[in-house]
Amino acid sequence: AQSVTQLGSHVSVSEGALVLLRCNYSSSVPPYLFWYVQYPNQGLQLLLKYTSAATLVKGINGFEAEFKKSETSFHLTKPSAHMSDAAEYFCAVSDPLVFGKGTRLSVIA
Amino acid sequence: NAGVTQTPKFQVLKTGQSMTLQCAQDMNHEYMSWYRQDPGMGLRLIHYSVGAGITDQGEVPNGYNVSRSTTEDFPLRLLSAAPSQTSVYFCASRSLAGGLDEQFFGPGTRLTVL
Repeated sequence: AQSVTQLGSHVSVSEGALVLLRCNYSSSVPPYLFWYVQYPNQGLQLLLKYTSAATLVKGINGFEAEFKKSETSFHLTKPSAHMSDAAEYFCAVSDPLVFGKGTRLSVIA
Repeated sequence: NAGVTQTPKFQVLKTGQSMTLQCAQDMNHEYMSWYRQDPGMGLRLIHYSVGAGITDQGEVPNGYNVSRSTTEDFPLRLLSAAPSQTSVYFCASRSLAGGLDEQFFGPGTRLTVL
């Protein structure tokens, strides 16, 4: 069965600092990987997806993620955090889509 | 397009009551699914469907029934609600054509079982 593990249930960064949210996957077949964001009291919005076309994937709002098969990782990064990035972030592997437990990102002014 | 719609937005039930959470999509997506979200647990897959008449179980199917009689609708039934089913429920859909595409999520239904 496919699964993902998100390291750190809560990450706090200063505004302007690097954002790094970690995700490791387990899959017996080449995976499709996703990052979703959830703002308070809202549904989920797709940030980016990896479908084997390129290992470095760029998404919305300045986020990107790199697929590393040797490390079974798909970490999410953003060079400079903004206050509006505060949200919960979910890594997921498909198919069917299975989510990690999420990482809550706080951005400190 | 309205996308994925869910009704109701909020619901309070007593233990043992039954109810149906409605989900509809107007994008002609073959694939639809139901998740529940609990604090610290992420989203867990309850049931999914790859087309009308076809359903399958996810990670946490116990206590829930589904059916898919049309492409547009995928209702989730709780036959006898329990406090452990207090959660936020999300419905999602995606197309099965052209490779693995993103899932579109509804706004959620917040269910409380007393």
